[in-house]
Amino acid sequence: QKEVEQNSGPLSVPEGAIASLNCTYSDRGSQSFFWYRQYSGKSPELIMSIYSNGDKEDGRFTAQLNKASQYVSLLIRDSQPSDSATYLCAVLISGGYNKLIFGAGTRLAVHP
Amino acid sequence: DADVTQTPRNRITKTGKRIMLECSQTKGHDRMYWYRQDPGLGLRLIYYSFDVKDINKGEISDGYSVSRQAQAKFSLSLESAIPNQTALYFCATSVLRDKGYNEQFFGPGTRLTVL
Repeated sequence: QKEVEQNSGPLSVPEGAIASLNCTYSDRGSQSFFWYRQYSGKSPELIMSIYSNGDKEDGRFTAQLNKASQYVSLLIRDSQPSDSATYLCAVLISGGYNKLIFGAGTRLAVHP
Repeated sequence: DADVTQTPRNRITKTGKRIMLECSQTKGHDRMYWYRQDPGLGLRLIYYSFDVKDINKGEISDGYSVSRQAQAKFSLSLESAIPNQTALYFCATSVLRDKGYNEQFFGPGTRLTVL
C-alpha cells in the first residue's frame, strides 16, 4: 500500500465549478498535511497546509482533514482555466526524522 | 526576495559521466532536500540534511551522493550517470516550526537527461 494515494486523473471540470481533489494516507500518526500545485515543467508551489481536523479556507481554496478516516481533500471554488495543473498531496510522516511523503498527484483540467 | 536557486537548469550528459547539481538558498532555512520526479511516480526523496553536519539518505539514494558545503548550499552528485537517472531534480528547503510542521519550498528544478 502506498503511503499517500491520489487519483491520477485527469479531473475535468467546467470553469466556475467546484473542483474536489482527494488524498488518503496510511500513517495514522501523521499530524501535518500539505497541498502543492505544480504546473507542467515547473516546481511545486505550496498552496495550503492543514494540521487540525476540519476545514481551513484561504481564498478560493478549502482544505479538509479527517484524521479518523485518514483523508485530506482540497476544494477549489470558482475554478479557473489557470487552476489547470497537477495537485500534489504531501503528508509529514511521524517518528524519527520528520519526512514529507508525496502522492503522485492529481491532474486537474478546467475547461472554459 | 528570499529564494531557492538551482544550477544548471538543464543538462544533457552521457552514460558514465560525473554530474553535479547545485542548490543555493537565501531563505535562511536550516533544512535542505533533494528530490527527483518521474512521470507517474511523484516526488521521491534522494537525500536530506538538517544542518551542515547532518546528512541522511532518503528512499532512493543509490547512485547519488551529496555535500552540504554551508547552511545555504547543498549539492547533489551523480558519480557515474546512467540513463534511468534521467529525471527532473528539485531542491527544497524548510525550517522546523512548532509541532513538527515542515513546510517545504522548492527550487525551479534541473532537467537532467542521460544518454
